[in-house]
Amino acid sequence: GQQLNQSPQSMFIQEGEDVSMNCTSSSIFNTWLWYKQDPGEGPVLLIALYKAGELTSNGRLTAQFGITRKDSFLNISASIPSDVGIYFCAGTTGANSKLTFGKGITLSVRP
Amino acid sequence: GAVVSQHPSRVICKSGTSVKIECRSLDFQATTMFWYRQFPKKSLMLMATSNEGSKATYEQGVEKDKFLINHASLTLSTLTVTSAHPEDSSFYICSASWGAYNEQFFGPGTRLTVL
Repeated sequence: GQQLNQSPQSMFIQEGEDVSMNCTSSSIFNTWLWYKQDPGEGPVLLIALYKAGELTSNGRLTAQFGITRKDSFLNISASIPSDVGIYFCAGTTGANSKLTFGKGITLSVRP
Repeated sequence: GAVVSQHPSRVICKSGTSVKIECRSLDFQATTMFWYRQFPKKSLMLMATSNEGSKATYEQGVEKDKFLINHASLTLSTLTVTSAHPEDSSFYICSASWGAYNEQFFGPGTRLTVL
């Protein structure tokens, strides 16, 4: 099935550094979501984006909904060890509709 | 808010037995619940979508007689893996959404191991 494009598969950064993750699609979505998943846990919603061009922050996280509605990025500033995990982007076309996921990016933070 | 629970968190069963997994929305009424399966180091694979009071919609390739889904109330959906086999071993995750919101809130997952 369709999948959003997330790359690279893994990212390694030093504690304190900023990191940016991109997510692209060949289709338009009405909502973009960013999730973080820790090992053995379910994904946790980090940020939801509803409008093209929207820029939203949640603490050290900032995400933007691309103008074309086909992409989004997530920035993490001043990374800390607990930022380690898998970051998934997801898109949906409407309320109670199924999500299309990216493959996820595994983030490692070196102390 | 928007808390989703799953029970059990882990289950080990013998081949041929059936296993029921519960998904509950604790502080909201879930119009729609979703069931996913996740393999190691892979993304989530949607199995089915269920709306309260109606039959679930299964994704292509997912056997509805194998994976029985019941969404009897706005706060509870169950997934029953019937006649489980070792290849059914996986991490099963539910999610719930409500109202006009597009977000899905996920449960903590259930690790199923079939011996």
